[in-house]
Amino acid sequence: TQLLEQSPQFLSIQEGENLTVYCNSSSVFSSLQWYRQEPGEGPVLLVTVVTGGEVKKLKRLTFQFGDARKDSSLHITAAQPGDTGLYLCAGTPRFSGNTPLVFGKGTRLSVIA
Amino acid sequence: KAGVTQTPRYLIKTRGQQVTLSCSPISGHRSVSWYQQTPGQGLQFLFEYFSETQRNKGNFPGRFSGRQFSNSRSEMNVSTLELGDSALYLCASSRDTGGNTIYFGEGSWLTVV
Repeated sequence: TQLLEQSPQFLSIQEGENLTVYCNSSSVFSSLQWYRQEPGEGPVLLVTVVTGGEVKKLKRLTFQFGDARKDSSLHITAAQPGDTGLYLCAGTPRFSGNTPLVFGKGTRLSVIA
Repeated sequence: KAGVTQTPRYLIKTRGQQVTLSCSPISGHRSVSWYQQTPGQGLQFLFEYFSETQRNKGNFPGRFSGRQFSNSRSEMNVSTLELGDSALYLCASSRDTGGNTIYFGEGSWLTVV
């Protein structure tokens, strides 16, 4: 059973379109992180959200942490080819003690010029 | 400051051989985690080391082992390689243990033939 479910699994859009990808769980998380991974490279941290309902913006990317801290979304406005990559969410389950980050399987985004 | 450094970046091994991968964490980071990434399974946690002690271990066979040195540098070893061990092996570091924000290296691509 995957603790963090990401959807959609694949997404192909035209440059300039908007999109939202989701990261859902039935468990409560102390924090959630979003990473972007480009082909042949390691994941790069984009943002960490900690507070329920928190919204963070990074240029054209908007990240939201659900009020109950069980889910998160990433919205990209006016997508560009440079946004292409694998978007991973990861989190620390609440009350999990000294356990490692849990990762979703990712959303693979392709932005076509 | 320098990021996480992994060596080698690419390597090809034959079934039955063993391999050692190296990771130098970000300066000041004492926790090092290792992940295996494959297209079908996503990112799977291998183990985490903190202050030269293994703190967490994922669900991998005993052929996968690791260690951490006093300078926080880490190595992982895979013995008796199998075709299914072909993957991107990612190292990540963080200041402390326990699911804090981690920063990845670029990974070591292992192909077993």
